[in-house]
Amino acid sequence: EAQVTQNPRYLITVTGKKLTVTCSQNMNHEYMSWYRQDPGLGLRQIYYSMNVEVTDKGDVPEGYKVSRKEKRNFPLILESPSPNQTSLYFCASSPWTFRTEAFFGQGTRLTVV
Amino acid sequence: AQSVTQLGSHVSVSEGALVLLRCNYSSSVPPYLFWYVQYPNQGLQLLLKYTSAATLVKGINGFEAEFKKSETSFHLTKPSAHMSDAAEYFCAVSPQTGANNLFFGTGTRLTVIP
Repeated sequence: EAQVTQNPRYLITVTGKKLTVTCSQNMNHEYMSWYRQDPGLGLRQIYYSMNVEVTDKGDVPEGYKVSRKEKRNFPLILESPSPNQTSLYFCASSPWTFRTEAFFGQGTRLTVV
Repeated sequence: AQSVTQLGSHVSVSEGALVLLRCNYSSSVPPYLFWYVQYPNQGLQLLLKYTSAATLVKGINGFEAEFKKSETSFHLTKPSAHMSDAAEYFCAVSPQTGANNLFFGTGTRLTVIP
């Protein structure tokens, strides 16, 4: 089944403890992206990647890192999480452009205390 | 920068009534336009998209949207609401030129009253 898989689905952590949210797609898509969803703000892009080893900042990249060493994986790294990074995170992928269709993971709900 | 505005963060309709969710974009060149739906505890999925072919676009589950350049709008409609339509709906745009990216509106939560 074609899908975007995020792990974990739920995570509670403490301020400053490094964490990684994984994202994997099995559709051989070139484009991948991370969004955070906050009430009243919709989805805001954190980082995106156009291909292996090619990444760029989105609208809200501060406090996040990404890497794209393999085409299928695009992990999101929070080196030192803070409470304002409490949010619902989505990974998305697209065949070769987001002007076609984006496929989304199920989301990761992160709480930083 | 691309901007998309969704009027009304919450919309309630009775079952069987017309659904109208509003979306306006702000760019001189019409972008690619999308509607995505998010059901509770799920990711987003594509409802429909406009890519400069027909101005009236039909999507899944009986939804459609009309692109109106003069009004810079791409409103989503469904003639008769069903209980299963209760969800959050996001309008999104991707520019015709430049950044190959997707920008979302703030979302509209649709409640369907039995």
